[in-house]
Amino acid sequence: GAVVSQHPSRVICKSGTSVKIECRSLDFQATTMFWYRQFPKKSLMLMATSNEGSKATYEQGVEKDKFLINHASLTLSTLTVTSAHPEDSSFYICSARDPRARVNTGELFFGEGSRLTVL
Amino acid sequence: LAKTTQPISMDSYEGQEVNITCSHNNIATNDYITWYQQFPSQGPRFIIQGYKTKVTNEVASLFIPADRKSSTLSLPRVSLSDTAVYYCLVGFTGGGNKLTFGTGTQLKVEL
Repeated sequence: GAVVSQHPSRVICKSGTSVKIECRSLDFQATTMFWYRQFPKKSLMLMATSNEGSKATYEQGVEKDKFLINHASLTLSTLTVTSAHPEDSSFYICSARDPRARVNTGELFFGEGSRLTVL
Repeated sequence: LAKTTQPISMDSYEGQEVNITCSHNNIATNDYITWYQQFPSQGPRFIIQGYKTKVTNEVASLFIPADRKSSTLSLPRVSLSDTAVYYCLVGFTGGGNKLTFGTGTQLKVEL
């Protein structure tokens, strides 16, 4: 099946610094990618929809200036957590739909996730 | 987006069949039902997807009644490695529409 890869898998940073997480579709082109956030023992929460060549669409309550999303190419979307604070510590997961998949179906492929710890 | 309701947790033993039911009363005509599995500190992994009746693949079966207001994921002969959180998602992602996750079901398989 299609592969989505995230990097880094783990990152520890000091409070106030910015951290960039990359999401790549390895064997397909994704015009749309999705970014999720997951706290321990909680479900995935959709943060934003990343659209290639245009601005991301953020879910209600997600600060767009805090979580910068760039989707500059058909295989790469990046999430930058700006001026990170301890409350931003979480598991961040991206996903994308393979456009070659069966038409009108919803199978999403997820990255391995990136665990951010802000000290 | 159709809201889903699943049991928070289920316990089972190795070798048993596990059935996890998901309610989605306001499912739309275009919506598909998709189940994902998630292990700790990993991204979710696709298990199975269906629109109506029954779908079976190498790892699971999905039963969907005629009214499509619920669905049941069936895992035959579970093993310890099937301990995970299982999510039922309902929606249509054609064209890049988003999918949102419900609470999921924590399945714990014991010896």
